[in-house]
Amino acid sequence: GEDVEQSLFLSVREGDSSVINCTYTDSSSTYLYWYKQEPGAGLQLLTYIFSNMDMKQDQRLTVLLNKKDKHLSLRIADTQTGDSAIYFCAAGNAGNMLTFGGGTRLMVKP
Amino acid sequence: DTAVSQTPKYLVTQMGNDKSIKCEQNLGHDTMYWYKQDSKKFLKIMFSYNNKELIINETVPNRFSPKSPDKAHLNLHINSLELGDSAVYFCASSPRSGGSTEAFFGQGTRLTVV
Repeated sequence: GEDVEQSLFLSVREGDSSVINCTYTDSSSTYLYWYKQEPGAGLQLLTYIFSNMDMKQDQRLTVLLNKKDKHLSLRIADTQTGDSAIYFCAAGNAGNMLTFGGGTRLMVKP
Repeated sequence: DTAVSQTPKYLVTQMGNDKSIKCEQNLGHDTMYWYKQDSKKFLKIMFSYNNKELIINETVPNRFSPKSPDKAHLNLHINSLELGDSAVYFCASSPRSGGSTEAFFGQGTRLTVV
């Protein structure tokens, strides 16, 4: 089955860019998602990208997809303290069943 | 080995029926969760158990009852199913309680009530 991997932790300074990386194994994954989880809250969908796209930009967020390497990244420009959270990558198939990575905790230092 | 496994993956049932979704984790984690995914793909937490003890019980109809026979299992039983219960339900586990730690998710169970 699908396997999705993320690094556990990322620390950046306020104002810097953050890049969270994710790899997946199933080349037939149709949709790749990024979710944000703030302490004590549910998972909020941040953005997603279709597998036939290379890049998607949405305000401060840029998603890059390297389908050949099965590598997905989320770049947050001008990272703010409010961006501190856990970010989950997920890969979905045509039936929209999702496989989640373990989450990357982003810590933003003032 | 699958870390968090849910069964079944797909469940189609008629209104009024009672059904269960099972979840098992082999990670040795203390905390397990049930989430419901809404139409906007938001995963809303329903329940959280820590060492078999209920610690989060969000506003969920009484028809939903979690059962944790041991800390590796958290099953979700739903009575008198309604059309609005149709959704994807995700189980997750984490080493400890609270939203500040990494979590591992099952693949989801797509429940369709007809």
